Amino acid sequence: GAVVSQHPSRVICKSGTSVKIECRSLDFQATTMFWYRQFPKQSLMLMATSNEGSKATYEQGVEKDKFLINHASLTLSTLTVTSAHPEDSSFYICSAILSTGTSGADTQYFGPGTRLTVL
Amino acid sequence: GEDVEQSLFLSVREGDSSVINCTYTDSSSTYLYWYKQEPGAGLQLLTYIFSNMDMKQDQRLTVLLNKKDKHLSLRIADTQTGDSAIYFCARMDSSYKLIFGSGTRLLVRP
Repeated sequence: GAVVSQHPSRVICKSGTSVKIECRSLDFQATTMFWYRQFPKQSLMLMATSNEGSKATYEQGVEKDKFLINHASLTLSTLTVTSAHPEDSSFYICSAILSTGTSGADTQYFGPGTRLTVL
Repeated sequence: GEDVEQSLFLSVREGDSSVINCTYTDSSSTYLYWYKQEPGAGLQLLTYIFSNMDMKQDQRLTVLLNKKDKHLSLRIADTQTGDSAIYFCARMDSSYKLIFGSGTRLLVRP
């Protein structure tokens, strides 16, 4: 259980286009999902917290108009990189919180990541 | 210093034990996690420990927590070549956000 998928796994696009990345929790419902960005050989940088049915909360320095997040259902969050530029090329990873209830450990499960390359 | 710190690199021989260390600054952290990342992949949850525990063992993995020193370690017994990856230590803050360390690259030599 606790599987999170991302689609696509890899995308190459031209500068100026928009790219949508999907994050799905396959076997559980997630009211909260997170979007991270990872540069080569670096740690994950939290971009935003995605809450089902409400606006996303962005971390400081992340442009909300550039990185549009929609969490329309309990199993799907999307990240749209608008007017992508080469500096947006990165590895984007989402995670979803699985509430375990009795144990109290709300654990984040991660998707496999999406490699975005902007030419 | 950084909120969560890890050494960058560890090299061990196959069959030996690996110990990856992590220190953190925020003593209010309730849960601490270890994740594994293989090249080009997402993060795989290995284990977690609640802050009121000192140790947790799960098969080849042993997590030790010294809350006084804010030190967390992950021991991998009988390390295999398939264990070669980057290991991230993370703590959860009050908003369910994970604060990650920089990752430790583990190389297992045959």
